[in-house]
Amino acid sequence: GDSVTQMEGPVTLSEEAFLTINCTYTATGYPSLFWYVQYPGEGLQLLLKATKADDKGSNKGFEATYRKETTSFHLEKGSVQVSDSAVYFCALTGGSNDYKLSFGAGTTVTVRA
Amino acid sequence: NAGVTQTPKFRILKIGQSMTLQCTQDMNHNYMYWYRQDPGMGLKLIYYSVGAGITDKGEVPNGYNVSRSTTEDFPLRLELAAPSQTSVYFCASSYSSHREAGELFFGEGSRLTVL
Repeated sequence: GDSVTQMEGPVTLSEEAFLTINCTYTATGYPSLFWYVQYPGEGLQLLLKATKADDKGSNKGFEATYRKETTSFHLEKGSVQVSDSAVYFCALTGGSNDYKLSFGAGTTVTVRA
Repeated sequence: NAGVTQTPKFRILKIGQSMTLQCTQDMNHNYMYWYRQDPGMGLKLIYYSVGAGITDKGEVPNGYNVSRSTTEDFPLRLELAAPSQTSVYFCASSYSSHREAGELFFGEGSRLTVL
């Protein structure tokens, strides 16, 4: 079945550091890919998405490019802030099951001032 | 707009007790979902609904039941609670299906402990 594998955390960074969270996927068909973010004490919210190969999703300084050749959707930000401390989830849908959003395990990111 | 509202936020149950987690959305979304989040495991889909009167099982439906009598409400029922159901539960809704890469809107979660 469809699945997502993302790098294990936790990740601890200093402010203004570069952040990369790796995400690879296994899916049939042509899935859409997402990054969701969960801030402390809150529910998940969509950070960015890409619906076809070579698409780049971007939001709040974060970017991720849908790479079909490497089945990857890595999340990057050039200069993180303390407010970026959260759990980040890679997810996919539209492969073998239209109604299921398959999530990775989540990566906890802590940014220190 | 309130978005997706879940109650209660916290609950402790004894083994064998039953309870209902409430979920309401005010965005007129057709699609609604219940997920559970366990540490290091990501989110697992319990049940989903594509409209009033229509529900279907997700990945981990055992021990749970749902109903969808209105567009707004999607309660999750736990029968005979077990320690394995200790988790954080999230309700979510979306306007369009996953096929259309619809964004999910999540509630704040309900932390359930079964002792």
